[in-house]
Amino acid sequence: GAGVSQTPSNKVTEKGKYVELRCDPISGHTALYWYRQSLGQGPEFLIYFQGTGAADDSGLPNDRFFAVRPEGSVSTLKIQRTERGDSAVYLCASSPGAGGPATDTQYFGPGTRLTVL
Amino acid sequence: AQSVSQHNHHVILSEAASLELGCNYSYGGTVNLFWYVQYPGQHLQLLLKYFSGDPLVKGIKGFEAEFIKSKFSFNLRKPSVQWSDTAEYFCAVTTYSSASKIIFGSGTRLSIRP
Repeated sequence: GAGVSQTPSNKVTEKGKYVELRCDPISGHTALYWYRQSLGQGPEFLIYFQGTGAADDSGLPNDRFFAVRPEGSVSTLKIQRTERGDSAVYLCASSPGAGGPATDTQYFGPGTRLTVL
Repeated sequence: AQSVSQHNHHVILSEAASLELGCNYSYGGTVNLFWYVQYPGQHLQLLLKYFSGDPLVKGIKGFEAEFIKSKFSFNLRKPSVQWSDTAEYFCAVTTYSSASKIIFGSGTRLSIRP
């Protein structure tokens, strides 16, 4: 079946603008995760959804970042007033949700490369 | 705070050489450990994982890792690498105090000379 997909694959924006990044998880996966990966670093946890609700948003760096998953499937990561430091690859992952995030295998998408000029 | 250290940033080997990539974590309680791999142009994918039981874990493509609790380590090994193993390798951990977060190391880039 289809894997996790993310759109757009690349996004270039100007400082101060608003951006939305979309994630389509694997069908039937109840858990969805967002990560941010800066150059030369491993992925950094941002937020975890179980169904429609954000079970853990402690990784969001500040209130400019927000994510939703209104129907328990597709998720959108929203960044307001973008800053140059937000430039990174934003990764989405999904998992079946049965085992819990500590043990579930996460399946990653290709990422969205965000560049803030 | 929990952290994962991968001290080798870039490893270069010839084909058929043996591989060991280091991974150390900082957390005194129960952990789950993972190795992820990202081949050029591809997504991150799970290579192997350890939750409990036999500390020697076997994964895909001939990789294995050994959990040594006393050393807080989970090193990745392969007896004979191939050119197709060229990739970036990430060690990661989850703990029961931060169970929803996978904490990743900074990665090790592996280059194999044909």
